[in-house]
Amino acid sequence: DAKTTQPNSMESNEEEPVHLPCNHSTISGTDYIHWYRQLPSQGPEYVIHGLTSNVNNRMASLAIAEDRKSSTLILHRATLRDAAVYYCILKAGTASKLTFGTGTRLQVTL
Amino acid sequence: GAGVSQSPSNKVTEKGKDVELRCDPISGHTALYWYRQRLGQGLEFLIYFQGNSAPDKSGLPSDRFSAERTGESVSTLTIQRTQQEDSAVYLCASSFKGGGNTEAFFGQGTRLTVV
Repeated sequence: DAKTTQPNSMESNEEEPVHLPCNHSTISGTDYIHWYRQLPSQGPEYVIHGLTSNVNNRMASLAIAEDRKSSTLILHRATLRDAAVYYCILKAGTASKLTFGTGTRLQVTL
Repeated sequence: GAGVSQSPSNKVTEKGKDVELRCDPISGHTALYWYRQRLGQGLEFLIYFQGNSAPDKSGLPSDRFSAERTGESVSTLTIQRTQQEDSAVYLCASSFKGGGNTEAFFGQGTRLTVV
């Protein structure tokens, strides 16, 4: 599986946008970019995924660089409930498992 | 509709005993995954089912670990002769199909404590 690189931690103020970066310079053409998050004491939760084009859903937006070597998860208005570990994962078109790295721990403060 | 259900939510067992952990995936999901997460650690992949076959068992840590799945439904993860190092949260996930263009839904996990 191609590797991703994320900052260990980030902080945000409540009600402000948050941009979580992910580098994946060895991404292949068939790799989908997935984001999951894990709130304290819970199982991981799917956030969003995409291949080439930017994606929006009710939870977040995913901005994918034109060369696909990096992406950014955007939370438009952070709330205290968004405090979690966010994982950026590459999943090949024919892949089975998700391989979790160490993720970014997001802290949200008042 | 119902999400991924795991049981029991907590299990305390004595070292050397066998345990069975159950996962009920979302109805209609053909792919099922088991992961392990030790305290303060990341998620470790254990096994992947597509239907009732397991094309990827690469994460099972030893022959004490086994898993089976009945059709495209419930799966059981069995740990024989448990050891203290097996203490962890065991997470199950399912997805509509395998492959990259599909999201996985996780259960809340079974917290296993071996004493």
